[in-house]
Amino acid sequence: EPEVTQTPSHQVTQMGQEVILRCVPISNHLYFYWYRQILGQKVEFLVSFYNNEISEKSEIFDDQFSVERPDGSNFTLKIRSTKLEDSAMYFCASSETLSQGWKTQYFGPGTRLLVL
Amino acid sequence: GDSVTQMEGPVTLSEEAFLTINCTYTATGYPSLFWYVQYPGEGLQLLLKATKADDKGSNKGFEATYRKETTSFHLEKGSVQVSDSAVYFCALKQGGSEKLVFGKGTKLTVNP
Repeated sequence: EPEVTQTPSHQVTQMGQEVILRCVPISNHLYFYWYRQILGQKVEFLVSFYNNEISEKSEIFDDQFSVERPDGSNFTLKIRSTKLEDSAMYFCASSETLSQGWKTQYFGPGTRLLVL
Repeated sequence: GDSVTQMEGPVTLSEEAFLTINCTYTATGYPSLFWYVQYPGEGLQLLLKATKADDKGSNKGFEATYRKETTSFHLEKGSVQVSDSAVYFCALKQGGSEKLVFGKGTKLTVNP
């Protein structure tokens, strides 16, 4: 069964450093998402991406965040200058294209980011 | 804004026990409602969904009914198994938006 994969599974970085989290969505999917979960808190939506542009973003997704689909398979989340409060589990998701109706979002296993 | 509240965990049950995980929501209009499950080391998987009031979603013996009058979507299973041990997330989605709004998650442990 096809699945969303994420690398790395864990990343430790120093405050102020840039990090890039990588995701390989399911191959025929065209909608991509990032969510995060700070320890003990809710899973929060960050951004959705379709047709090479951001289709929706939350207030959390400020100028220090960016997303990119650099090639036909990867989808990345970049955090330019990490802060302590960016420490969280980051989930990538993708969904298929349907002309109408609900598109199931398939999630990856997550990348746990720790900012020191 | 929209929000989802789940019962606090962790929940520990014996095999074959009855499971209820409460979920209530606050939202305008008529969102779609979902339960996701996360098994250890894996991503969140859609367990079941309901898209309108009084709909019942069901899968793998789990059920949840969309109750507009009580703004609830409680997850139930009549007889849990050890393999049901996981974290369960309730979520909603508004029409016209791509984002899922999640609850905090409830960790379930089922002992043999």
